[in-house]
Amino acid sequence: ETGVTQSPTHLIKTRGQQVTLRCSSQSGHNTVSWYQQALGQGPQFIFQYYREEENGRGNFPPRFSGLQFPNYSSELNVNALELDDSALYLCASSLAGIDEAFFGQGTRLTVV
Amino acid sequence: DQQVKQNSPSLSVQEGRISILNCDYTNSMFDYFLWYKKYPAEGPTFLISISSIKDKNEDGRFTVFLNKSAKHLSLHIVPSQPGDSAVYFCAASVANAGGTSYGKLTFGQGTILTVHP
Repeated sequence: ETGVTQSPTHLIKTRGQQVTLRCSSQSGHNTVSWYQQALGQGPQFIFQYYREEENGRGNFPPRFSGLQFPNYSSELNVNALELDDSALYLCASSLAGIDEAFFGQGTRLTVV
Repeated sequence: DQQVKQNSPSLSVQEGRISILNCDYTNSMFDYFLWYKKYPAEGPTFLISISSIKDKNEDGRFTVFLNKSAKHLSLHIVPSQPGDSAVYFCAASVANAGGTSYGKLTFGQGTILTVHP
């Protein structure tokens, strides 16, 4: 059984650029959620995908978008990067109806 | 608007003693609660959960207590071990029809637990 893997682990981008973060779900999991964790804070829910459809969204602007693929892997895209987007981005996969969400190790994004 | 709050940023405990981590929530819609542990450079790891139909759930050294009227939950670790040193996050969710979480979690800010040998 493979765990949740995210790539890249670290990334530095310039303000105004666009970034794509990737997540491979745990085998058999059909639901992927993305979270943003700022320094010293708890993770904040960005959005969730279930069977390739967005299934709920937190309080994030439209420049945060996502995709889920038929193999249940997922991407998080952020356009027009701002300095405040610097954070750890966490992906979590789960099987719908099961309580545990398994998290990846995260992608540390720094916007300069 | 912080709907889930962990008011203690840090807690220091001696090995073998009890660790008690606290969490308060404000949203009455939350009916499923979870605790996660996070080591540096790793993602959060699920520890234990509790549904609002219960007031206690145990798993080995970990017990979670829920006081719905006070909108308060706590995690007890007995006995505490140095390997328990990590950041602990409380999370809340609205349960799905199956009685578990949809996975759309609202997290607290975390409490850094240090267990001294």
